[in-house]
Amino acid sequence: GDSVTQMEGPVTLSEEAFLTINCTYTATGYPSLFWYVQYPGEGLQLLLKATKADDKGSNKGFEATYRKETTSFHLEKGSVQVSDSAVYFCALKGSGGYNKLIFGAGTRLAVHP
Amino acid sequence: NAGVMQNPRHLVRRRGQEARLRCSPMKGHSHVYWYRQLPEEGLKFMVYLQKENIIDESGMPKERFSAEFPKEGPSILRIQQVVRGDSAAYFCASSPSRLAWAQETQYFGPGTRLLVL
Repeated sequence: GDSVTQMEGPVTLSEEAFLTINCTYTATGYPSLFWYVQYPGEGLQLLLKATKADDKGSNKGFEATYRKETTSFHLEKGSVQVSDSAVYFCALKGSGGYNKLIFGAGTRLAVHP
Repeated sequence: NAGVMQNPRHLVRRRGQEARLRCSPMKGHSHVYWYRQLPEEGLKFMVYLQKENIIDESGMPKERFSAEFPKEGPSILRIQQVVRGDSAAYFCASSPSRLAWAQETQYFGPGTRLLVL
């Protein structure tokens, strides 16, 4: 079945460092791909998405490119801030069937001043 | 435009009691999804509902769990005879319904954190 694999955390960075969080997926057809962010004690917020191959999603300085050839959707940010500290989830929605999202396990990011 | 509302935010139950979790979707949304997040894990899909219909319940445990989304009022996730293993965060999400493509994005509520003693 469909699945998402994320790099394990925690990821610890200094402010203004470059961020990469790896995400790969297994799915039939052409899934849509998402990154969600969860701040402590809160629900998930959609960060960005891409619905077809080679699409680049971007928001708040974060970006991710849908790479079908490598089945990847890595999240990047050029310069992280302390306020980016959160848990990041990669997710997919399959091209067939219903609308359920399949999530990776999440990657905790801690940014220090 | 208010977001997805869930209540209560925190719920404590003793083993054997019932837990009722409520979710009000965003205005104009008629698709509701429930997910469960165990500690230090990702979210796992439980059930997908439209008004008065269960569309996909492939992630629901076979016993003790039920969900509904009536014509009027919020969606309810009900857990009967709770056990300690039910302790988790339960998130509701909603999406619009007019066009198929618009169903892509799900908007999440703040979650209900259930603790079973």
